[in-house]
Amino acid sequence: QQQVKQSPQSLIVQKGGISIINCAYENTAFDYFPWYQQFPGKGPALLIAIRPDVSEKKEGRFTISFNKSAKQFSLHIMDSQPGDSATYFCAATPDAGNQFYFGTGTSLTVIP
Amino acid sequence: DAGVTQSPTHLIKTRGQQVTLRCSPKSGHDTVSWYQQALGQGPQFIFQYYEEEERQRGNFPDRFSGHQFPNYSSELNVNALLLGDSALYLCASSLFGAGGEKLFFGSGTQLSVL
Repeated sequence: QQQVKQSPQSLIVQKGGISIINCAYENTAFDYFPWYQQFPGKGPALLIAIRPDVSEKKEGRFTISFNKSAKQFSLHIMDSQPGDSATYFCAATPDAGNQFYFGTGTSLTVIP
Repeated sequence: DAGVTQSPTHLIKTRGQQVTLRCSPKSGHDTVSWYQQALGQGPQFIFQYYEEEERQRGNFPDRFSGHQFPNYSSELNVNALLLGDSALYLCASSLFGAGGEKLFFGSGTQLSVL
């Protein structure tokens, strides 16, 4: 059973556009929601993360929107750049020291 | 400052064989977690080691075992390899109690089972 459901599977965006990736979860014990960026041949790297006590967190061009009642969270990439082309994973964990449950990933391609 | 290092980077094995993968955590980290990432999928948690003991385990069979050494480095062992074990194996290190903000992944070991 997939603990975290992620969509879309792939996304193509024009340079300068907004990329939006969505995730949903069921386990209300989840308390920490990170997004990871992975380039081919590399391990995932933490991009941005949020805890459920806030509805939005912004770091540069990256924003997480969090809807606790709907059990959904999303990643918005503003002014998308070709260098953002990578696979993005959402994740969740009941305790940031515990195991992480990852989504299935979104392959983002930003067209120049 | 070296990050998480894994070896080897690539490995080819035959069904039924045994394999050992190695991981050195980021400097200052004391906890190592192992994840399996199948092609086109997200990482799946195998287990976590802290103070040389397995602290948590995901839904993986006993063929998967590990070890942590006093210097915090770790090994992942897989016995009786199956074709389905072909995947990217990721090691992640962290500082126990510091939270997910300090979770760093290595570049992984690509295991192919023929």
